[in-house]
Amino acid sequence: EAGVTQSPTHLIKTRGQQATLRCSPISGHTSVYWYQQALGLGLQFLLWYDEGEERNRGNFPPRFSGRQFPNYSSELNVNALELEDSALYLCASSLAGSGNTIYFGEGSWLTVV
Amino acid sequence: EDQVTQSPEALRLQEGESSSLNCSYTVSGLRGLFWYRQDPGKGPEFLFTLYSAGEEKEKERLKATLTKKESFLHITAPKPEDSATYLCAVQDTGFQKLVFGTGTRLLVSP
Repeated sequence: EAGVTQSPTHLIKTRGQQATLRCSPISGHTSVYWYQQALGLGLQFLLWYDEGEERNRGNFPPRFSGRQFPNYSSELNVNALELEDSALYLCASSLAGSGNTIYFGEGSWLTVV
Repeated sequence: EDQVTQSPEALRLQEGESSSLNCSYTVSGLRGLFWYRQDPGKGPEFLFTLYSAGEEKEKERLKATLTKKESFLHITAPKPEDSATYLCAVQDTGFQKLVFGTGTRLLVSP
């Protein structure tokens, strides 16, 4: 069974541009989570989607946004890129409801130059 | 606000030298405590979920335990392939998101 898949693996953007990252959850999972992991730092929660709705948002500016599609896949958009947005962006998925295991993808590396 | 503190930040062991990693947490209502392993440049790999104080889970050389304030990840007779960053996270009853600690970097030398 396929795990959480993310694309692209690597992305290089210029400051001020927009980046779009994509995620396909494990089949049957309706909840999708996005995390940012900057170099040497811990995982910071960005967004949680379930059944197409944004359920919770971390302490990030509004230029970080996303959506979940009817097939439960998701995309993360980062507008007006800043150098400090350079990080590994991790997508995860789980069955609906708390207490279920949350599985992560391999991440998308975003480099802003 | 939920908080997770992991110690030590880094740990160097000789192959076969057992040790424990600590995860202290503050959460309004614990739904689950999760342990993950992360290799450099990769996504976290799920290891265990613990739900209530007193619970223990084992997988190969790893054993996770949980109290009301902390969790321990015991590593018995580690091998070099156990070298990785081990992450602890909590999920409270209010939200499904995980709140992570900053991890313990484990290096096992042959």
